[in-house]
Amino acid sequence: AQSVAQPEDQVNVAEGNPLTVKCTYSVSGNPYLFWYVQYPNRGLQFLLKYITGDNLVKGSYGFEAEFNKSQTSFHLKKPSALVSDSALYFCAVRDPEDTGGFKTIFGAGTRLFVKA
Amino acid sequence: EPEVTQTPSHQVTQMGQEVILRCVPISNHLYFYWYRQILGQKVEFLVSFYNNEISEKSEIFDDQFSVERPDGSNFTLKIRSTKLEDSAMYFCASREGTGASQPQHFGDGTRLSIL
Repeated sequence: AQSVAQPEDQVNVAEGNPLTVKCTYSVSGNPYLFWYVQYPNRGLQFLLKYITGDNLVKGSYGFEAEFNKSQTSFHLKKPSALVSDSALYFCAVRDPEDTGGFKTIFGAGTRLFVKA
Repeated sequence: EPEVTQTPSHQVTQMGQEVILRCVPISNHLYFYWYRQILGQKVEFLVSFYNNEISEKSEIFDDQFSVERPDGSNFTLKIRSTKLEDSAMYFCASREGTGASQPQHFGDGTRLSIL
């Protein structure tokens, strides 16, 4: 069965410092992996995805994520955090065989606080 | 950029009453979903809908819940005989056609408060 784990409920980082939000997954075969961000009173917004190819994928707002197959991880990163990056971040996994995307599994979310 | 829109933004209902949450997905999308989020925490899958029928549903989506796409544009979630524990944010999402690689697009949610 597919699963995704975000081991940190909260990540605190100072503005200007690099940030990492962790995600590990469990799925048979090669997964499709996604990161979403949720700002207060808003829905989830798509940030980036890994489908195949280069293990480092770049997304919106300067975020990137690194796919590591051996560690079954897909950590979200940004070289220099902004206060406006403070939000709730969700990792999600989908089986490529699931062409309907019916079984997208979301992690529990990690709250990122960026301090000025 | 096209958006998923949800109405109302906030719904207050007495326990035991029926409530209908409405969503207008992005027009060329074919796959539709409802999710629930309690107190800004985990996003819980409720149901997916494709080709005018339910494709998948979670254990949360019991007989109290139903979905409908009545007119080719709206996508509704009905909760019959609401309970206190139904209080949550409900998010609608839609996705384009074929292939599992496309992301879902979410609305801004309806906050459901059961009194």
